This record gives sequence, structure tokens and C-alpha cells, in this order.
Amino acid sequence: GNSVTQMEGPVTLSEEAFLTINCTYTATGYPSLFWYVQYPGEGLQLLLKATKADDKGSNKGFEATYRKETTSFHLEKGSVQVSDSAVYFCALSDRGDSSYKLIFGSGTRLLVRP
Amino acid sequence: ETGVTQSPTHLIKTRGQQVTLRCSSQSGHNTVSWYQQALGQGPQFIFQYYREEENGRGNFPPRFSGLQFPNYSSELNVNALELDDSALYLCASSLGQGAGGNTEAFFGQGTRLTVV
Repeated sequence: GNSVTQMEGPVTLSEEAFLTINCTYTATGYPSLFWYVQYPGEGLQLLLKATKADDKGSNKGFEATYRKETTSFHLEKGSVQVSDSAVYFCALSDRGDSSYKLIFGSGTRLLVRP
Repeated sequence: ETGVTQSPTHLIKTRGQQVTLRCSSQSGHNTVSWYQQALGQGPQFIFQYYREEENGRGNFPPRFSGLQFPNYSSELNVNALELDDSALYLCASSLGQGAGGNTEAFFGQGTRLTVV
């Protein structure tokens, strides 16, 4: 079945450091890919998405490129802030018989120190 | 435009009891999906409702059931609670038959269920 694998955390960085969180996927067909963020005590918020190969999703300084050849969707940010501390989930859309569902990775906790 | 709201935010139940969780979808959305997020894990798809009918189901036993109402709000019911049911339960609403694809899923803040 379809699946998502993320790098294990926690990832600890100093403010203004460069961030990469790796995500690879296994899927039949060409799913849409997503990054969601979960701040402490909150639900999930969509951070960015890409719907086809070579698409780049971007939002709030975060970027990720849909790489079909490497089945990857790595999240990057050039300069992290303390407020970026959260858990980040990579996900893909899985088309069932009549509906889509999201398949999530296990999440990567990011801690940014001042 | 109101967002997705879930109630209650927290609750504690005893093993063997039954629980009902509620979700109000975002205005204009006709699809609701439920996910279970165990501590330290990613959310797992439970099922989806579209226009009041179950429209897809994950690998969860029948004691997990749901409803969707004409106003598109939804309930998740869990019977015969087990300790492993302790988790954050997330509701997501979207427009059309997708909590994915090309439609965006909007998540509520979740209900934290603890089974003792």
C-alpha cells in the first residue's frame, strides 16, 4: 500500500539556521503531496502542497518540490525562527474506490533555539 | 466563515464504555473525515462521510462508527473502549469527495480521549 516515511526527530536548530526535513513516499499513480504543521495543543494546518511532478509548493518561507524520480518531497526553509517550533507531517493523498484519504508520515519535531 | 470545531476538547472514559465525539464542518464543506492520532504518531484515517453516507474506511474495527447529519456535521462513536483507543481524534472537512487530491482538508483542533 501507499506510505510515507519521514526523518526521525527531534531536529534541533539555532535561529536563522537552514532547515531540511526529509520525506519519501511509496505510491501507485501520482498522488498529491502535502506538508502539515501541528503546533503544541493544536490540530493540523496545511503548510504547502504540490499536485504533480516538479511542482514546488511554498508558504511562509517553506518550500518543497515534488520529485517523482526520487519519490521525495523534502521540506526546506532558509532561515528558521523560534516560532517555527512544531511537529511537521508529510502526507500524500490516496485515492480509494470513491474517496481520497490522507496518509501521513510519523512526524518530525522541530525545536528552534534563540 | 467558521472553521472546523470539535467537542469536547478533552475527556476521560473507562475501558468498556462508549464515547461520542462531535465535529462541525467548515461552512460550505460537505465531506468530513476522521483520523486517530496516537501519541508520537501521524494521524491514521478512520473513515469519511460524504453527503451523509460512509464513503471510505480505514483499518479500524466496526466498534468505530459514525454519522453525518444534513447540515454536514458529524459524530464519531466508539463502543467498548480499549486502553489503546487513547489518542487525539481529528476531524477534517473538505468540499467534494476528498480529504486530499486537489481539495484542501481543514482540520479541527481535535478531541483528546484518555481511556483508563
